Amino acid sequence: KAGVTQTPRYLIKTRGQQVTLSCSPISGHRSVSWYQQTPGQGLQFLFEYFSETQRNKGNFPGRFSGRQFSNSRSEMNVSTLELGDSALYLCASSLETLGEIAGELFFGEGSRLTVL
Amino acid sequence: AQKITQTQPGMFVQEKEAVTLDCTYDTSDPSYGLFWYKQPSSGEMIFLIYQGSYDQQNATEGRYSLNFQKARKSANLVISASQLGDSAMYFCAMSLFKGAQKLVFGQGTRLTINP
Repeated sequence: KAGVTQTPRYLIKTRGQQVTLSCSPISGHRSVSWYQQTPGQGLQFLFEYFSETQRNKGNFPGRFSGRQFSNSRSEMNVSTLELGDSALYLCASSLETLGEIAGELFFGEGSRLTVL
Repeated sequence: AQKITQTQPGMFVQEKEAVTLDCTYDTSDPSYGLFWYKQPSSGEMIFLIYQGSYDQQNATEGRYSLNFQKARKSANLVISASQLGDSAMYFCAMSLFKGAQKLVFGQGTRLTINP
């Protein structure tokens, strides 16, 4: 069974540009969440999608956005990149239905973004 | 707001020894879940063990066990018979049942197993 797949694995951008990261969850998983990991701030929750709807959002500026498609694949976008956006962006999926408790999250290997 | 504290930035342990990684949490919600994840240098977060706030017994998964002390709000991870492959970052995390898939992570502990 294929795991969570994130693309691209590595990318380099310059300040002011925008970036789109993609996440394909494990087949059958309907919940997808995104996390940002930096050495200074650690792992921080960005947002979560379930059945194409954003269900939770972390404390990030509006430059960070995401969406989920009908096949549960998800993308996140960061516009007007800043140096501080350099991070490992992790996507996680879970087999969870609306209203149930949190289950095990399966993470991808992440997309490492460097902003110059 | 909920918070996870891991007070050990780094730990060094001899192979085959047992190791305890500390985790304390703070929440006023009576319903929550506690997780431990391992992150090797590849970046992927690997699920190790889960403990629900209403679980009466400590969770165990192979060489991993979670020492859950609810009154002290601690959820320490115990790895028995450590192996070289256990060298990695370890994160404690908490979710609130109402918060679904949102996890709050601690700062992590870097574990190094020496041969």
